[in-house]
Amino acid sequence: QKEVEQNSGPLSVPEGAIASLNCTYSDRGSQSFFWYRQYSGKSPELIMSIYSNGDKEDGRFTAQLNKASQYVSLLIRDSQPSDSATYLCAVKSDTGNQFYFGTGTSLTVIP
Amino acid sequence: EAQVTQNPRYLITVTGKKLTVTCSQNMNHEYMSWYRQDPGLGLRQIYYSMNVEVTDKGDVPEGYKVSRKEKRNFPLILESPSPNQTSLYFCASSLAPGQPQHFGDGTRLSIL
Repeated sequence: QKEVEQNSGPLSVPEGAIASLNCTYSDRGSQSFFWYRQYSGKSPELIMSIYSNGDKEDGRFTAQLNKASQYVSLLIRDSQPSDSATYLCAVKSDTGNQFYFGTGTSLTVIP
Repeated sequence: EAQVTQNPRYLITVTGKKLTVTCSQNMNHEYMSWYRQDPGLGLRQIYYSMNVEVTDKGDVPEGYKVSRKEKRNFPLILESPSPNQTSLYFCASSLAPGQPQHFGDGTRLSIL
């Protein structure tokens, strides 16, 4: 059983702070990694995709990937109350075309 | 507007009564997938499809069927629904398996 692990939280940060979300995965050969944001009662929406080791930045969001440690993270700078949501980590299987999601980390940004 | 459309959005039904949840995308995507989302278990993949007439099992396929007769449509069929299939279901599509997925708005199914 391939696994994607996330701290369920809840994670609370003050407005303007950096929120750090972490994810580990078991499929060593995985090549495609995604962060989705899900507001309560809504569908997941893509935040970032990352395929290579290192950092990838998009506005206030930075995804970090370390394949040797099987670890992917998401940093949210200058956190806003509108960032309050559940963040889902997703990994595509190396051996097939399946996707595995973590259970999500709930983030609350306190004004 | 690029979108994935699921219907119905909500359904309450009874054990054993066959039902179909439709999913349609207008982005000419090759890859389509169905997920169920349950508290504490996250999103789990039920079935996925690489293209027309090409489908494969995900992590939790028992009790479900799918078909992909046209590229844009990927219906989820519950031939004999049971209460343990009560869940929130999402259809998603992407250009290719390694690309980001676009999700539909979800279908909340309650099986009594």
